Amino acid sequence: DAGVIQSPRHEVTEMGQEVTLRCKPISGHNSLFWYRQTMMRGLELLIYFNNNVPIDDSGMPEDRFSAKMPNASFSTLKIQPSEPRDSAVYFCASSFQGVGTEAFFGQGTRLTVV
Amino acid sequence: GENVEQHPSTLSVQEGDSAVIKCTYSDSASNYFPWYKQELGKRPQLIIDIRSNVGEKKDQRIAVTLNKTAKHFSLHITETQPEDSAVYFCAASMGGGNEKLTFGTGTRLTIIP
Repeated sequence: DAGVIQSPRHEVTEMGQEVTLRCKPISGHNSLFWYRQTMMRGLELLIYFNNNVPIDDSGMPEDRFSAKMPNASFSTLKIQPSEPRDSAVYFCASSFQGVGTEAFFGQGTRLTVV
Repeated sequence: GENVEQHPSTLSVQEGDSAVIKCTYSDSASNYFPWYKQELGKRPQLIIDIRSNVGEKKDQRIAVTLNKTAKHFSLHITETQPEDSAVYFCAASMGGGNEKLTFGTGTRLTIIP
């Protein structure tokens, strides 16, 4: 397996534009997480899916952020409209549901909003 | 929800010495405690983990200890090497259907040659 695959790796966009980040989890994994990493706030969980269903979205900053998981092999995180304070590295991670199982991270998407 | 605190935020040790990073958690239902290493510009990667039914686990130069009563766990790296320089994150989750990992704020470890 190629691991968790995220695209794009880098994204530069202008304030107000819509941004869509994509994630393909490891085949067979049924839990998927979106994290945001900044120097100030560290690794923050934005949303967590289990079996394609959003379980906990309490970390989603505001209505400008939305996430979907239409099937077991694909998820998107959308920001509309984007703002400079959204600049961060966004990681997707996947794991297999169970008592203590490793979460595997994708390589991340570095988002810069100018 | 779960809250994980991590100390210190930065740590410098001489090559060959030991490094210790400590974390505390708030939710007694947490039962899985992984440690991730993140090198500059890379993704976090698991280096060791421990479950609540175990007090200590060792893997070569790395060990983790868990005290469930006190709700704290620690990472120990012995005989440190330059390649150990990175940011280390502790995390906690409940498992059993709730796989949400709550991370500590990270420790930047620098090994001085």
